[in-house]
Amino acid sequence: GAVVSQHPSRVICKSGTSVKIECRSLDFQATTMFWYRQFPKQSLMLMATSNEGSKATYEQGVEKDKFLINHASLTLSTLTVTSAHPEDSSFYICSARDASSYNSPLHFGNGTRLTVT
Amino acid sequence: QKEVEQNSGPLSVPEGAIASLNCTYSDRGSQSFFWYRQYSGKSPELIMFIYSNGDKEDGRFTAQLNKASQYVSLLIRDSQPSDSATYLCAVNTGNQFYFGTGTSLTVIP
Repeated sequence: GAVVSQHPSRVICKSGTSVKIECRSLDFQATTMFWYRQFPKQSLMLMATSNEGSKATYEQGVEKDKFLINHASLTLSTLTVTSAHPEDSSFYICSARDASSYNSPLHFGNGTRLTVT
Repeated sequence: QKEVEQNSGPLSVPEGAIASLNCTYSDRGSQSFFWYRQYSGKSPELIMFIYSNGDKEDGRFTAQLNKASQYVSLLIRDSQPSDSATYLCAVNTGNQFYFGTGTSLTVIP
């Protein structure tokens, strides 16, 4: 089945530093990838839609200059949390769908737990 | 109105019983429908998808779709404690996926 690999699974960083999270589709091509954030005991919140070769589309309230998204190839999207602060601590999850298959489901990476100290 | 609505629960069922999870959606143009399971601290995993009206069975899981009523459900037969999780309903419209807030299910041994 379709596999989405996300790294790192867990990261601890100091306030003010930047963190990059990678999301790869291992056995399919994904023209679109989605980035979510989830706080404890809350539902998934879509942050942005990452489009291969073009700018990402951010949801209302998500700062595009703080959460930099790059989707340089059909199998890789990255999310960089710039100048991280403790309030950015959360569970970040990417997802992707197979571009070649109509009606294909979203497949999720295993998530990245970010802790900013 | 939210795109996808789910009862947040919690829903508790005894082991061996049938768990019934429900979801409604607002866009009649929605094309495909998915159920994901999310364990605490983990990312969602796909368990079922359905595109056509009617029932679709996969092991202990049955997805039901009624496009006229804009209603999707998931039945879990012979519920096990390992089924205890949050179940997310997702609807695909165009290139967008809309998720419900999830229903928390607890299967009591």
